[in-house]
Amino acid sequence: DMKVTQMPRYLIKRMGENVLLECGQDMSHETMYWYRQDPGLGLQLIYISYDVDSNSEGDIPKGYRVSRKKREHFSLILDSAKTNQTSVYFCASIPGQGTGQLYFGEGSKLTVL
Amino acid sequence: AQKVTQTQTSISVVEKTTVTMDCVYETRDSSYFLFWYKQTASGEIVFLIRQDSYKKENATVGHYSLNFQKPKSSIGLIITATQIEDSAVYFCAMRDDGGYKVVFGSGTRLLVSP
Repeated sequence: DMKVTQMPRYLIKRMGENVLLECGQDMSHETMYWYRQDPGLGLQLIYISYDVDSNSEGDIPKGYRVSRKKREHFSLILDSAKTNQTSVYFCASIPGQGTGQLYFGEGSKLTVL
Repeated sequence: AQKVTQTQTSISVVEKTTVTMDCVYETRDSSYFLFWYKQTASGEIVFLIRQDSYKKENATVGHYSLNFQKPKSSIGLIITATQIEDSAVYFCAMRDDGGYKVVFGSGTRLLVSP
């Protein structure tokens, strides 16, 4: 069963706290993504990971970093979260050469107070 | 740089009718891939249909089809015989060949009423 799993699904943090969003996939996909979704803006690309320890900035990487130590696991880290990082974060993966469609996780709703 | 634009913020239709959602894109690549995704009320995002730029024939999957007009950099999504459960937000997306970056439009909300 092809699945992308995100944890936690909901998270409330105070400004300045650190945030860890985790994503796992059971499809052995090489390439994984982190997006954020804000009303009216669609999905904005934060980071791409091509495989273990091979990551690349997307369109809005500022304030975020990522970690990928295992192919099936991709983490998004916010060091000292800001209120404008309140958003819904989606993880996605893509098989093989990346020509197919994205498989999305369920999303993680982060509120920074 | 890649760019995808969806100008229709929302569309309302009566069920069993046909709806078309617009999408235009910008790319410098001669080869690219175009996608449509659906986001349901629960937040789930699922893939619907895809068009490869080198294919002249419009893609069709179930009651979804595409209107690919390459000279206009346009990829419209057509939903025929709409159903209540088609109510959702629809996103257009693009990936250049040779890269893995997938760029999304801002989405079009579709409301299908009885």
